[in-house]
Amino acid sequence: EDKVVQSPLSLVVHEGDTVTLNCSYEVTNFRSLLWYKQEKKAPTFLFMLTSSGIEKKSGRLSSILDKKELFSILNITATQTGDSAVYLCAVHTGNQFYFGTGTSLTVIP
Amino acid sequence: KAGVTQTPRYLIKTRGQQVTLSCSPISGHRSVSWYQQTPGQGLQFLFEYFSETQRNKGNFPGRFSGRQFSNSRSEMNVSTLELGDSALYLCASSPADRAYNEQFFGPGTRLTVL
Repeated sequence: EDKVVQSPLSLVVHEGDTVTLNCSYEVTNFRSLLWYKQEKKAPTFLFMLTSSGIEKKSGRLSSILDKKELFSILNITATQTGDSAVYLCAVHTGNQFYFGTGTSLTVIP
Repeated sequence: KAGVTQTPRYLIKTRGQQVTLSCSPISGHRSVSWYQQTPGQGLQFLFEYFSETQRNKGNFPGRFSGRQFSNSRSEMNVSTLELGDSALYLCASSPADRAYNEQFFGPGTRLTVL
């Protein structure tokens, strides 16, 4: 059965901290891995990863994929209160996206 | 470009009723996917439509159905509603022929079944 597992389930940090969110997957046919940020509304796209070892970066956020070990990480440096959200990881198998249950990040001022 | 729109935004129904939700994708997007989001299960894939054809289907009972029109707008129908159908239903559109690229999500329809 295809599945995506995210850890930790929740995280509370102080502004300025660096956080690492994990996403591991077991799927029969990997096509892509996507990260989304969801506040109290629709998920918004962060990154798409298809190749191992190539870091995607956008400001304070970065992500990398390891296709051999079947995982991805999302790093957020110098966290801000606006980073508080649920971060979702999704893997596409050629037929559909499988989503993890998300990591809830709370950044305290 | 306007984003993905979904109507209605909120809906309250009673058990046994049926409901139809609507999704208008971003202009030019031909792939539309539907998801159910609940606190316990997270986001679960319902089905994907491309050029008016259901291309993929998740593991939901036949009470959940959908369709796509020639203008790429999509509707989702749930018949014989159950309490467990209470959820946020999200629609996402994709610009690619294959939906494993970025998906753009709509704001969702919050369905409450009493």
